[in-house]
Amino acid sequence: EAGVAQSPRYKIIEKRQSVAFWCNPISGHATLYWYQQILGQGPKLLIQFQNNGVVDDSQLPKDRFSAERLKGVDSTLKIQPAKLEDSAVYLCASSQIRGGPGGPGANVLTFGAGSRLTVL
Amino acid sequence: AQSVAQPEDQVNVAEGNPLTVKCTYSVSGNPYLFWYVQYPNRGLQFLLKYITGDNLVKGSYGFEAEFNKSQTSFHLKKPSALVSDSALYFCAVREVGKLIFGQGTELSVKP
Repeated sequence: EAGVAQSPRYKIIEKRQSVAFWCNPISGHATLYWYQQILGQGPKLLIQFQNNGVVDDSQLPKDRFSAERLKGVDSTLKIQPAKLEDSAVYLCASSQIRGGPGGPGANVLTFGAGSRLTVL
Repeated sequence: AQSVAQPEDQVNVAEGNPLTVKCTYSVSGNPYLFWYVQYPNRGLQFLLKYITGDNLVKGSYGFEAEFNKSQTSFHLKKPSALVSDSALYFCAVREVGKLIFGQGTELSVKP
């Protein structure tokens, strides 16, 4: 089973520039997540998709961040314009519900390697 | 809102000794709890989870975790630490289909 693919792995930009990250989840996984992990902190959820619909984007800074998951497969996260505090690793994860919420695969998120963003 | 706390930023253990990485939780209702590990420049890897049933949960790489309802804790344990266990460990709790993570504990195992 192929894992969660993310690109690019590393990106360095100047503040006020834009950047986009791409994620391809595990085949068949209906739920896709974007997390932001700032150095020294735990991952924080930015947005959650179920198929191609948004389930939770309450912590997404919508004035500068946007995300889409067209056709319910891969996803793109965009930042425009970037700020210094956006320097972080952006983690994509996917999951499936097998046998309901308590099933063996329930809520086991599989993460990609992440995209490290440095904003100068 | 659900939350987890990891009271130690860093844990240092000698190889071969037992290790414990602590996690406490605050939830309404029954908790669904998880442990993940993150190696340098890698994504998070699932170790184990507690949904219901036995309070002692066994996971990958010889790790186990003990769910304690009275102490609202879910500590990660391993009987004999390896140098290769050195990594960042995250406790997490499920909230409406997503995971809320703690701030992480850096485990360092010295030979």
